[in-house]
Amino acid sequence: EDQVTQSPEALRLQEGESSSLNCSYTVSGLRGLFWYRQDPGKGPEFLFTLYSAGEEKEKERLKATLTKKESFLHITAPKPEDSATYLCAVLIKAAGNKLTFGGGTRVLVKP
Amino acid sequence: DAGITQSPRYKITETGRQVTLMCHQTWSHSYMFWYRQDLGHGLRLIYYSAAADITDKGEVPDGYVVSRSKTENFPLTLESATRSQTSVYFCASSESLPLGPPTDTQYFGPGTRLTVL
Repeated sequence: EDQVTQSPEALRLQEGESSSLNCSYTVSGLRGLFWYRQDPGKGPEFLFTLYSAGEEKEKERLKATLTKKESFLHITAPKPEDSATYLCAVLIKAAGNKLTFGGGTRVLVKP
Repeated sequence: DAGITQSPRYKITETGRQVTLMCHQTWSHSYMFWYRQDLGHGLRLIYYSAAADITDKGEVPDGYVVSRSKTENFPLTLESATRSQTSVYFCASSESLPLGPPTDTQYFGPGTRLTVL
């Protein structure tokens, strides 16, 4: 069965304290891996798409990487405005265009 | 550019009533999706549509009905609401190239919080 697992479930950081979020997947035929940010009461906001192992993408303090079994979202020197839930999702070749989401990681950055 | 909108944003209804959640997108995206988000389950796909008049089931379709008579609208109907359908509902869309698959990235609306009493 295809599975997407995110860890940790919650992360409390001090402002400036860098950390990484993990998204591990067990799927047959990965077509793409997506990272979204979700603020309370809002819809998920697209951050990155990664398609092949070794690929990296960056946006401000965020950097996403992909291996054959997992993806990391690195947050460098986070600020309070980086507080959000970060969602990982996979697109599987055999599943057409249907995304399978992980449970998310809630990040709180304290000033 | 309005993007993707959902209405209503909040809805309280009673068990057994019919409820319709609306989704409208201004990008002319071919693909549209309905998800529900619950604590402990994350985001789960209910139904999706590849184009007008083409719909298909997702992971949790029971108790829901969809239609897509126009490209820009994708309403979700709960024919007889149950308490287990209390959730936050998100609509999403993605574009596709002519005669090809979607370009993968799904863009989400702001959500509808539905409470069934």
